[in-house]
Amino acid sequence: NAGVMQNPRHLVRRRGQEARLRCSPMKGHSHVYWYRQLPEEGLKFMVYLQKENIIDESGMPKERFSAEFPKEGPSILRIQQVVRGDSAAYFCASSPHRQETQYFGPGTRLLVL
Amino acid sequence: SQQGEEDPQALSIQEGENATMNCSYKTSINNLQWYRQNSGRGLVHLILIRSNEREKHSGRLRVTLDTSKKSSSLLITASRAADTASYFCATDAGTNAGKSTFGDGTTLTVKP
Repeated sequence: NAGVMQNPRHLVRRRGQEARLRCSPMKGHSHVYWYRQLPEEGLKFMVYLQKENIIDESGMPKERFSAEFPKEGPSILRIQQVVRGDSAAYFCASSPHRQETQYFGPGTRLLVL
Repeated sequence: SQQGEEDPQALSIQEGENATMNCSYKTSINNLQWYRQNSGRGLVHLILIRSNEREKHSGRLRVTLDTSKKSSSLLITASRAADTASYFCATDAGTNAGKSTFGDGTTLTVKP
């Protein structure tokens, strides 16, 4: 059973471009969570999705950020018109049910030039 | 307000010694989880302890939870150099069940 997969592992974008981060949850997991980690800090919750539904997006910036988890395919975190402050590691986690252990992917490190 | 604050921020010990890290939180929780993160890598899940549990063990790890004090501790016994990493606690709180709230972590250095 493969773990949580994230790609790309590293992403470099120039200011104003779009960044698309992908997350494939563990097999059998229908709950996906996205977190952002700045250097020397802990993870900050962004959004919690269950297949085709956004359950909690209280940690998502109001503009430029969006997330989806379609019926088929990976979950996508999309950042439009990236700025330097978006540079961070973005982690995805999945769980089989709510309030269960969340298993993390290796992260995508976004660098905005 | 920060939910899940680790203490100390940094800890340096000799191999073979025990390491204790603490986590405090502010609101009622469903469960609390401890994770390890090696530098520049993803998170590895260590232990989940539910609000109705007081202590859990996993190998050299022992986690306690005191809901009256809203605190948890992670004890690593007989530490090894490979235990060098950052350790985070994450809380899954009542009304926001599902998402986890992380502290800024304790950086543990185990010297050989």
